[in-house]
Amino acid sequence: DAGITQSPRHKVTETGTPVTLRCHQTENHRYMYWYRQDPGHGLRLIHYSYGVKDTDKGEVSDGYSVSRSKTEDFLLTLESATSSQTSVYFCAISESDGISGNYEQFFGPGTRLTVL
Amino acid sequence: RKEVEQDPGPFNVPEGATVAFNCTYSNSASQSFFWYRQDCRKEPKLLMSVYSSGNEDGRFTAQLNRASQYISLLIRDSKLSDSATYLCAVNSNTGGFKTIFGAGTRLFVKA
Repeated sequence: DAGITQSPRHKVTETGTPVTLRCHQTENHRYMYWYRQDPGHGLRLIHYSYGVKDTDKGEVSDGYSVSRSKTEDFLLTLESATSSQTSVYFCAISESDGISGNYEQFFGPGTRLTVL
Repeated sequence: RKEVEQDPGPFNVPEGATVAFNCTYSNSASQSFFWYRQDCRKEPKLLMSVYSSGNEDGRFTAQLNRASQYISLLIRDSKLSDSATYLCAVNSNTGGFKTIFGAGTRLFVKA
């Protein structure tokens, strides 16, 4: 399995509090991603990174920010958590396979976040 | 219209059955295609990439139809352990590293 860890794995917080989720990889992959997964919506991209300090928004970025100061770490911050951000958050990494140009993604185990 | 669409199912099939999933995508410039498997309360895991010529891995066959913009996954001789959600995924940007996922199709294989 790809070396990807997420912390915390579970968190319950209150509306209005800041929350930071961490993704750590040991694969030295260039690309890192944050998704949220909700019933009926599948995986939706929040933010992604294509290198240290290089990040961009995904389709559901409002209310989220990210930072990547090292290749191995990608942080997702909810500045002021809302109940609509209750979800399962997955981090993923990818790198070109160098042959066909495919960017297969490998996922971390996920973080279950509940905002009360 | 969603960029990647799948029939949500669920598909309920007996052991030994053949089951097929389809997935349509809207961006004709899409370059890479994948099927992922996700078990309940687990992370998605890559099942197989989908190549233009079609590819097979044991009981699993993936095909790509660029003209009609869909990919398919065929599972032959279904096993109880195949019960999971199957997600199709499409790399949609020119760099190829940004992936759009379908919402997934739930499969239940029963004895």
